[in-house]
Amino acid sequence: QKEVEQNSGPLSVPEGAIASLNCTYSDRGSQSFFWYRQYSGKSPELIMSIYSNGDKEDGRFTAQLNKASQYVSLLIRDSQPSDSATYLCAVKVGFGNEKLTFGTGTRLTIIP
Amino acid sequence: DGGITQSPKYLFRKEGQNVTLSCEQNLNHDAMYWYRQDPGQGLRLIYYSQIVNDFQKGDIAEGYSVSREKKESFPLTVTSAQKNPTAFYLCASSSLGQGEETQYFGPGTRLLVL
Repeated sequence: QKEVEQNSGPLSVPEGAIASLNCTYSDRGSQSFFWYRQYSGKSPELIMSIYSNGDKEDGRFTAQLNKASQYVSLLIRDSQPSDSATYLCAVKVGFGNEKLTFGTGTRLTIIP
Repeated sequence: DGGITQSPKYLFRKEGQNVTLSCEQNLNHDAMYWYRQDPGQGLRLIYYSQIVNDFQKGDIAEGYSVSREKKESFPLTVTSAQKNPTAFYLCASSSLGQGEETQYFGPGTRLLVL
């Protein structure tokens, strides 16, 4: 079983709709969760971090964490063509533990 | 400008050659990391360092070496022992301590084998 799994996609969503990206993780000791966006040929950029169960909103982005189900998701509201990218889920075990484990990413395409 | 710089942007390696990838940060971060990304894959950790003159192996350290002589710099050498070095190499840095440490990435170096 992979430590961090993402729906591999590709995922296509019409412009203006909600894009939903999912990630599950295997280590119950995981405490910190991150979503990175990576445009083709570029490096990942952090868009959301979440540490507590529940929802965290930042503009059009909402991260949702459910530690009991070992599940973290990213919702993108009012999807724009500029949101087309690969989204990487990353998980860290414990606070202060420096190692991030990444999923393989979900490629998202927003259709105008 | 604060940030992480990597050079070169593209690097070509000949058979049997060692090459060194540069990573510099001016964010005053204690920790630095090297990742490798293959097409369609996530990031895999090669080496990381939390303090000057100390570093640890990640998941795929074989064929690579690093040094951390200065806080700002964490160069990666891809040795001839690394048989499949073609990949996108990403350097990252973060602060340390209890709390919400986030890793920030440099622009990457794309290594190709001639």
